[in-house]
Amino acid sequence: EPEVTQTPSHQVTQMGQEVILRCVPISNHLYFYWYRQILGQKVEFLVSFYNNEISEKSEIFDDQFSVERPDGSNFTLKIRSTKLEDSAMYFCASRAEGAGYGYTFGSGTRLTVV
Amino acid sequence: KQEVTQIPAALSVPEGENLVLNCSFTDSAIYNLQWFRQDPGKGLTSLLLIQSSQREQTSGRLNASLDKSSGRSTLYIAASQPGDSATYLCAVSRIQGAQKLVFGQGTRLTINP
Repeated sequence: EPEVTQTPSHQVTQMGQEVILRCVPISNHLYFYWYRQILGQKVEFLVSFYNNEISEKSEIFDDQFSVERPDGSNFTLKIRSTKLEDSAMYFCASRAEGAGYGYTFGSGTRLTVV
Repeated sequence: KQEVTQIPAALSVPEGENLVLNCSFTDSAIYNLQWFRQDPGKGLTSLLLIQSSQREQTSGRLNASLDKSSGRSTLYIAASQPGDSATYLCAVSRIQGAQKLVFGQGTRLTINP
């Protein structure tokens, strides 16, 4: 069964450093997403990406965040200057077009900012 | 603004029991509803997807129902097993835009051998 692949599985970074989280969505999917889950809290939406541009973003997704699909297969989330409160599990997801197609999530990247 | 609530927050039952997890949402204008399973520290595994035009979906021992007008969904697990122990998440997507998911806080299920 096709999978969404995320790397790394765990990243530790110092406050103020830039991090890039990487994802390889399912190849024939058209919609790409990033979600995050702070420990003990709900999974929350960050951003959606369709047709090579951001289609929607949440209030969390401020100027510190950016997304890119550089080569037609990878989908990245960059956090420019990490803060302690960015520590969370970050999930990439992708979806085909149509109501009969649900989300497929990756296994996540646990980001720890120290 | 869509709000999703799951009851109960935690549930512990002996092996072999049938059980029901509940999910409610405030805005009935949904695109679809998806149930996920999350093991501790792991990703989200899709269990069932119900389109807004459907009433229920079944996969093995799992059955999910949807009553859009009342803003409710249930996940029924038959003949529970210790391997079913996990957190179960309900999420709805809206019709407009990128159909982003709004998640409930989950039900943490423990099946005791």
